[in-house]
This record gives sequence, C-alpha cells and structure tokens, in this order.
Amino acid sequence: ETGVTQSPTHLIKTRGQQVTLRCSSQSGHNTVSWYQQALGQGPQFIFQYYREEENGRGNFPPRFSGLQFPNYSSELNVNALELDDSALYLCASSIRQGNNSPLHFGNGTRLTVT
Amino acid sequence: AQSVTQLGSHVSVSEGALVLLRCNYSSSVPPYLFWYVQYPNQGLQLLLKYTTGATLVKGINGFEAEFKKSETSFHLTKPSAHMSDAAEYFCALSSYNTDKLIFGTGTRLQVFP
Repeated sequence: ETGVTQSPTHLIKTRGQQVTLRCSSQSGHNTVSWYQQALGQGPQFIFQYYREEENGRGNFPPRFSGLQFPNYSSELNVNALELDDSALYLCASSIRQGNNSPLHFGNGTRLTVT
Repeated sequence: AQSVTQLGSHVSVSEGALVLLRCNYSSSVPPYLFWYVQYPNQGLQLLLKYTTGATLVKGINGFEAEFKKSETSFHLTKPSAHMSDAAEYFCALSSYNTDKLIFGTGTRLQVFP
C-alpha cells in the first residue's frame, strides 16, 4: 500500500512568485485535504477536494487554489506569494465514507518565501 | 465556533515517567477528538481518536486518552515515557458532519534519560 506522497520536499520562492505543490493520495483514497502549518503552530485547514470539486474551504484568500485529478492526486497553487506564506504544507488523503474517515498525512512540502 | 487549546507548549519528562499532555476543546456540537504525533521533518501520524462510545480510548505506542465532557477535556497519557516518544503532539477536533480538523498549537514532548 503506497502512502501519501508530496513533492517537492523543500522549495524556496521569492515574494510575488507563484508556486505549485503536488500530492499523490494513498491507494484507494478519493478525498484530499490541504493544511498549512506555520512554524510553531498547528496545521490550519486550507481546503478539501472530493470528486475533483472543492468541498469545503478554510479562511484562506482566493490566491490559494487547488485541483484534483481523475486519479485523485491533487495540486495546491499559491499566487502572488507573501512572506507569511512560508510554512509546511501538508496533504492528507482519506476515503470519503461520510462520517469522519481517518486522514492519512504526507510528510509535507516546506515552502520558504524570501 | 470550535476551538482546541493545548496547555503547555513544552513538556519534559524523564524516561520511565508518566506522560500527561493536556487538551481542552470548545464545540457547540458533539465533538470528535484526535491526537496526532509529528516527528521532525515528517507528517502527522494518528495516535488515537474518540468519536462516540467508550470515553477511554487506547491508541498506538501505549498512549491513551479520556474524553471528559464535563471538563471539555481530552488529555493524552502514557504510563512510562520512552526516548522514542520525543516529538510534537497535536490535539484536534472535528464533528459528525465534517472531516475538517481544527488543531491545537501543539505540545513538544522532551524525554530525558
């Protein structure tokens, strides 16, 4: 069974640039959620994708956007990067069974914005 | 609104000592509660969860937690700490109609020999 994989593991970008982070969900999982974990903080929910549609969004501006593909993999895109976007971005996949199926997290992508 | 508060950003114990990590929550609906562990440069691993039923929940690696509705608490315990338990621990909250997790700010556990 293949777990959740994220790429790249580390990334350095300049303020104002755009970035794309990628996530392959665990085998058999059809739902992907993205979280942002700033240094010294707990993860914060960005959004979730199910059946290629956004299915819930946290308190993040529209410059944070995503995609889910037919194979259930997902991308997180961030436009017009700001210094405060520096964080660990975590992807989690799950089997959508209606009531709180467990989330399986990847190891994250550490984004540094300079 | 739902929220999670973890008391103590750092906890230090000696190897073999009791581990107690505190978590209090606020929720207007019956909560589902979770503890996750994060090792350096890794993602989150689920230790245990409470949804309904028995209020004492046993998880992996010898950890357990007790849901106390009257105290709005879900503290994590382990009778005897091991060096390998050193990590960041997060308490999280959701509810019956969502799998979106609300996390606390985390507690870093240090274990001394």
